[in-house]
Amino acid sequence: QQQVKQSPQSLIVQKGGIPIINCAYENTAFDYFPWYQQFPGKGPALLIAIRPDVSEKKEGRFTISFNKSAKQFSLHIMDSQPGDSATYFCAAGTASKLTFGTGTRLQVTL
Amino acid sequence: NAGVMQNPRHLVRRRGQEARLRCSPMKGHSHVYWYRQLPEEGLKFMVYLQKENIIDESGMPKERFSAEFPKEGPSILRIQQVVRGDSAAYFCASSPGGGRRTEAFFGQGTRLTVV
Repeated sequence: QQQVKQSPQSLIVQKGGIPIINCAYENTAFDYFPWYQQFPGKGPALLIAIRPDVSEKKEGRFTISFNKSAKQFSLHIMDSQPGDSATYFCAAGTASKLTFGTGTRLQVTL
Repeated sequence: NAGVMQNPRHLVRRRGQEARLRCSPMKGHSHVYWYRQLPEEGLKFMVYLQKENIIDESGMPKERFSAEFPKEGPSILRIQQVVRGDSAAYFCASSPGGGRRTEAFFGQGTRLTVV
C-alpha cells in the first residue's frame, strides 16, 4: 500500500498556539519522511525531514515526532505566527519517489 | 545557487495540442522527479529520471505522456494531444545523488490550463 493519510484537512489556531498535523503510512519500506510547506501559487518547500531510526527531530520552531511501531508521524509548530499560514504536506518515501498526504490548510490568526 | 527552475510558469493549450514543460535541476543535482498536483489535492508522483535514464515511471499515464532528461539541457515533460483533464500544476523536483537522493527540492511549478 502506498497511501499516506493526513489529518486534519484544515486547522485554525491563534498566534502563539501549537498546531499539530498528523500522518499515517502503511508501507514499511518507506524510510524517509519529510514535511513540505506550500504557499498559494508556489512550489512545496522542504521544512524538515526524519528517518525511521530516530523518534523526534527539531529544527527551529518545527518538530517531527515519529512512531515507527504505529506507522505514524506528526508535525508540531511551536509559537505559530500568521506567516506560518500555508498548506502543509507530509510525505513518505524511498529512494525513488515520495507519496504525499492530501495536505492541511493552516490558518494562524492574530 | 539557483533553485530548481521550471518554465513556463503558466501554459495554456487548446485540446489536442502538445505541451512541453521544462525543468532545470539545482546545480549539482543529478536526479529529477516530476509530480502533478490537481486543485486542492496533494502531489502525485509521475516519473523519476537520472541523466539519460528513466528510473521509475510508475506514475506516468500509459499514453500521451513522456519524459526525458538528456545529457545536456533541462528535463522535459511532454504531453501530447492534451485534454481538459490534464489541467493541473506540474512540479519538478531535484535531489543530489547517493544517500541524500530523497531530499528533493521543488521548483515553482508550471500551471497548465487546457481550454
